[in-house]
Amino acid sequence: DGGITQSPKYLFRKEGQNVTLSCEQNLNHDAMYWYRQDPGQGLRLIYYSQIVNDFQKGDIAEGYSVSREKKESFPLTVTSAQKNPTAFYLCASSIGRRPYNEQFFGPGTRLTVL
Amino acid sequence: ILNVEQSPQSLHVQEGDSTNFTCSFPSSNFYALHWYRWETAKSPEALFVMTLNGDEKKKGRISATLNTKEGYSYLYIKGSQPEDSATYLCAFTGADKLIFGTGTRLQVFP
Repeated sequence: DGGITQSPKYLFRKEGQNVTLSCEQNLNHDAMYWYRQDPGQGLRLIYYSQIVNDFQKGDIAEGYSVSREKKESFPLTVTSAQKNPTAFYLCASSIGRRPYNEQFFGPGTRLTVL
Repeated sequence: ILNVEQSPQSLHVQEGDSTNFTCSFPSSNFYALHWYRWETAKSPEALFVMTLNGDEKKKGRISATLNTKEGYSYLYIKGSQPEDSATYLCAFTGADKLIFGTGTRLQVFP
């Protein structure tokens, strides 16, 4: 059963702590993405990766970091430098980075900073 | 700043009603327009990806049209059913990345 998994579903963090959100896909997709959703806003791109060991900043990369050591995995670290990290985070993948490639999404992680 | 607007923000209809929503996007530097359906507690799923002006796509009772010259796309649902209740997202791409609208939240009452 191919798809994208994200864990955990809910995450609570104290201010000043780094946390890592997991994203794994078994679709054999080359491209992977991280989005953030805030109330009343569209999904905004944090980082994306087209191939292993390569990734690019999206529109709101400040305070986040990523790695792409394996094709299947694209973890996102929310660092203490991220001023307002409480949000819903979605991971996605696509077979390639062409404009017409549909994206496949995971179920999301809701991060709350206490 | 590229902006994608969706209207209405939310819609409540009775089962059997037909409905439509609008996605407005920049008409320059167009590459593709995506529609996604996002049901509560599930992942967003692609409905259509449209690339050509005048494109019309259909999947069951749902169809979409595209006008790239004037920068809009319509999504139609014929004979809405309760299982159509979801948020419908559109996303524009000008080659670089997807830019999402805020979505139209549809609720269909039996």
